[in-house]
Amino acid sequence: DIQVTQSPSSLSASVGDRVTITCRASQGIGILLGWYQQKPGKAPKRLIYAASSLEGGVPSRFSGSGSGTEFTLTISSLQPEDFATYYCLQHQSYPHTFGQGTKLEIK
Amino acid sequence: EVQLLESGGGLAQPGGSLRLSCAASGFSFNTFEMTWARQAPGKGLEWVSMIRGSGDPTYYAASVRGRFTVSRDNSKSTLYLQMTSLRAEDTAVYFCVKGGWLDWWGQGTLVTVSS
Repeated sequence: DIQVTQSPSSLSASVGDRVTITCRASQGIGILLGWYQQKPGKAPKRLIYAASSLEGGVPSRFSGSGSGTEFTLTISSLQPEDFATYYCLQHQSYPHTFGQGTKLEIK
Repeated sequence: EVQLLESGGGLAQPGGSLRLSCAASGFSFNTFEMTWARQAPGKGLEWVSMIRGSGDPTYYAASVRGRFTVSRDNSKSTLYLQMTSLRAEDTAVYFCVKGGWLDWWGQGTLVTVSS
């Protein structure tokens, strides 16, 4: 099985900050990785697919990059509504696997 | 608009069974893979199972293989998850998700396994 290691597990930041979250896969997965945002009590929402493609309607301050084994999600200028938990998901092989999550909190 | 409506959650005893359903609309259900994912209280997301549009093949996480069975009825645009030999660690919100790439999520249904 492919393991996905996400870091950091939590992050404290301020409105306007630039933040980066990283996922590392235990073996190459090409660009078969997505990023999700989840707010308390809600279903996850996909932000990024194919490592760097922005989902329709998602603000351009979100961006994804990477291929192979290392991937990043960047939020260029944090907004109040961005404080949530973020997950990556590899879907290159079964079982698909999520990262452990990054809880983004207000400083 | 894509809609996924899960049902069938509730309280089950250890060793018991439950069947979850997911009614889909707003897309050509039979052409899409469908996925079940879950989230234990206060924990992260876990991928559970996936089924191809035709119903075969199917894939499972090691934690549920041999106990859970995913199926679909394309004539009813409905996805199912039959859960047997339930354990306390199966307690979670179960999400129905469109696609093998998990692009659209239902709101989830809570399954609680407890005596």
